[in-house]
Amino acid sequence: AQTVTQSQPEMSVQEAETVTLSCTYDTSESDYYLFWYKQPPSRQMILVIRQEAYKQQNATENRFSVNFQKAAKSFSLKISDSQLGDAAMYFCAYRVFHSGYALNFGKGTSLLVTP
Amino acid sequence: NAGVTQTPKFQVLKTGQSMTLQCAQDMNHEYMSWYRQDPGMGLRLIHYSVGAGITDQGEVPNGYNVSRSTTEDFPLRLLSAAPSQTSVYFCASSYGAGMNTEAFFGQGTRLTVV
Repeated sequence: AQTVTQSQPEMSVQEAETVTLSCTYDTSESDYYLFWYKQPPSRQMILVIRQEAYKQQNATENRFSVNFQKAAKSFSLKISDSQLGDAAMYFCAYRVFHSGYALNFGKGTSLLVTP
Repeated sequence: NAGVTQTPKFQVLKTGQSMTLQCAQDMNHEYMSWYRQDPGMGLRLIHYSVGAGITDQGEVPNGYNVSRSTTEDFPLRLLSAAPSQTSVYFCASSYGAGMNTEAFFGQGTRLTVV
């Protein structure tokens, strides 16, 4: 059963604005990794940002940043200065050792960017 | 550097036919995995491998077989295709723990079973 929850099936944001995609997860492991992947219509899976669970500092990659709340098992993605090219499906995922570091994905959030 | 290569990109099968989806990576990654993506379901893990000769089941393994005879290749076999196996299939590979934890994905195979 999937243990990653993305509660927003669809989101919309205007160009140049900021949007936050939510994600919660459930694992009993203490060592794990968290990821956000982007899937444009080409269906290619593109890594947006990653976070090691043992690091308290939130990861940042250019316009993308996360708010990692380990105790709450929350891992939201913030996209600043949204661009038309950000329109895609976004998947939250985590990896733990016991499943061979395979990824557990949420069901995804479809992001629409309007001019 | 080709990364992760999946073949074919598209396939139509008749119910009951068998086929193998190919996956090859040239990054010397230990870990490889197969996922299926269905509308509204995200990606779900079918099988994974932590190295040559070692495989294990994921969340939705029924109807699929895998083997890992080399580090580079991780084929997925459909034994007797069913319409419920209509999906987009992704293969991924990665290193294990440490700095290189990014999973690299193939371009996917869209499979239709009629």
